[in-house]
Amino acid sequence: AQKITQTQPGMFVQEKEAVTLDCTYDTSDPSYGLFWYKQPSSGEMIFLIYQGSYDQQNATEGRYSLNFQKARKSANLVISASQLGDSAMYFCAMREGTGSARQLTFGSGTQLTVLP
Amino acid sequence: DTGVSQDPRHKITKRGQNVTFRCDPISEHNRLYWYRQTLGQGPEFLTYFQNEAQLEKSRLLSDRFSAERPKGSFSTLEIQRTEQGDSAMYLCASSLASRGDTQYFGPGTRLTVL
Repeated sequence: AQKITQTQPGMFVQEKEAVTLDCTYDTSDPSYGLFWYKQPSSGEMIFLIYQGSYDQQNATEGRYSLNFQKARKSANLVISASQLGDSAMYFCAMREGTGSARQLTFGSGTQLTVLP
Repeated sequence: DTGVSQDPRHKITKRGQNVTFRCDPISEHNRLYWYRQTLGQGPEFLTYFQNEAQLEKSRLLSDRFSAERPKGSFSTLEIQRTEQGDSAMYLCASSLASRGDTQYFGPGTRLTVL
């Protein structure tokens, strides 16, 4: 089974509008972390936001917020007031557990295009 | 505060040749990771160091791949006898054990095997 599922290969949004990028995850570990990264065409992965499984409140970072619904195992990224520079690939990722394994498991990504 | 750097940014090689990539993490970060990303996919984990110790290796890391982090600072990833299937973006990330242990990525090395 896929550990991270991003069902939207591509999304379009009008400049200044809000957009939600979907992410569902699968884990039996009670301790995990969820991350969103942005990858522009230049290739660099840019960290956007983090949510821990025990965090009581949804994470927010500027125009980014994470809609964390633990029972549904979803961690959707909300971008408010979209800008042209937000056009990029967006990846959801998960790190499971607190042991020595620290790697991230990524989804297949969503290509966001912001229209002027 | 400089970010993660990788060298070279692009490498074109012929099948069968050996290649080596370098990653310099953020200076105070003690954890370093290598990932591989093929076109249209998310990155896939290859290996992870804490200081100079290599603590985790993916089964994707065949015998032709070797990674080192000799003094717990920079790291190298070597691919021996390259194959066309090795063509990909190789990403390095570093982190510091803290809230979230967030990984910060470098710009990547794009490898093309002809």
